[in-house]
Amino acid sequence: DGGITQSPKYLFRKEGQNVTLSCEQNLNHDAMYWYRQDPGQGLRLIYYSQIVNDFQKGDIAEGYSVSREKKESFPLTVTSAQKNPTAFYLCASTKGFNYGYTFGSGTRLTVV
Amino acid sequence: GQQLNQSPQSMFIQEGEDVSMNCTSSSIFNTWLWYKQEPGEGPVLLIALYKAGELTSNGRLTAQFGITRKDSFLNISASIPSDVGIYFCAGQEGAQKLVFGQGTRLTINP
Repeated sequence: DGGITQSPKYLFRKEGQNVTLSCEQNLNHDAMYWYRQDPGQGLRLIYYSQIVNDFQKGDIAEGYSVSREKKESFPLTVTSAQKNPTAFYLCASTKGFNYGYTFGSGTRLTVV
Repeated sequence: GQQLNQSPQSMFIQEGEDVSMNCTSSSIFNTWLWYKQEPGEGPVLLIALYKAGELTSNGRLTAQFGITRKDSFLNISASIPSDVGIYFCAGQEGAQKLVFGQGTRLTINP
């Protein structure tokens, strides 16, 4: 079955460390997105990519980085520069304009 | 970045009651979407609306795209326990980007 897979489901990180969250899709979607979710704040866009080897910053890109070397994969790195990284991270993809997004099941990152 | 105003933020209802929630925006959107999120999972698309004034149903769910293109509402009729979750509205702007509301948390007392 086609879908989006995020891994790991839970991730613990020490302060000062970089960590990479995985997002893989087999839906043949061109566009992929990373959102951050905090309680009571909805979903905020971190980065998005409409095509391989191209990506744009979203509303809260500071302290994050991404790459899009393959159509299927859009990993997100949370760097030590991100001041408050503890959150639920969601990856999504879409086949095109007006099709809505398909979301992964999320990664909960906790900084300890 | 732009966000939508979604209300109410939370609802506590009895099983069998109807539910209504809405979203408003200062900007015009070409598409409105409604998602449901269950704990620890990603949002799942419930209804998509593509034309101003459009009224669309999906089982007990009904959503409308406001005529001004700046608002949308979602109704759930005869609520059941599995309706519990967080409901998000989303408006689609350029470059395939979605803007999300803050969510409505629905709790149902059996």
